[in-house]
Amino acid sequence: SQQGEEDPQALSIQEGENATMNCSYKTSINNLQWYRQNSGRGLVHLILIRSNEREKHSGRLRVTLDTSKKSSSLLITASRAADTASYFCATADTGGGNKLTFGTGTQLKVEL
Amino acid sequence: DGGITQSPKYLFRKEGQNVTLSCEQNLNHDAMYWYRQDPGQGLRLIYYSQIVNDFQKGDIAEGYSVSREKKESFPLTVTSAQKNPTAFYLCASREGVRYGYTFGSGTRLTVV
Repeated sequence: SQQGEEDPQALSIQEGENATMNCSYKTSINNLQWYRQNSGRGLVHLILIRSNEREKHSGRLRVTLDTSKKSSSLLITASRAADTASYFCATADTGGGNKLTFGTGTQLKVEL
Repeated sequence: DGGITQSPKYLFRKEGQNVTLSCEQNLNHDAMYWYRQDPGQGLRLIYYSQIVNDFQKGDIAEGYSVSREKKESFPLTVTSAQKNPTAFYLCASREGVRYGYTFGSGTRLTVV
């Protein structure tokens, strides 16, 4: 089952602009994670935010979490062409099993 | 360097054949996972294992089988019972519940 739904499905911006992606989910979670996938490759873990955290930063990445709305956002500041990839949110629900449920992804294209 | 190795990168299967996808990690992680990704979609969980000699079905286990005889290895067999096996298969591992997944580079399986 798909827990998260990312919005938008696709995003095209100019280099230097900020990119914002949103994720909504359905169940109670322990944490929410964001991953990046370059075309035809495996996923790379970007950032993890726990259910008791509201905001987290890592370099040019800023993640927010609103558990009351069951939503999260990923902001990439000062985007670069190398940021072109698909971005997925994934949730670890409180039901246990230590497994992640992934969303459908946002395809980001950063143009020069 | 520590990581996850998936092999082969590309695999072609004739209808009615079983094939086994390899996943090996040298990260000393207890938990390992198999996901399937179809074009333009998110990841769906096939099987996961939290410890040696134990594994659980994910959301789409029908037509697949796994084993976990060693901590380092978590092979996935795609059986002839899987009606639509053409997909990108991703293996992952995790150190613990507070950490993100480490993914392999994937195996692209095509039925010919």
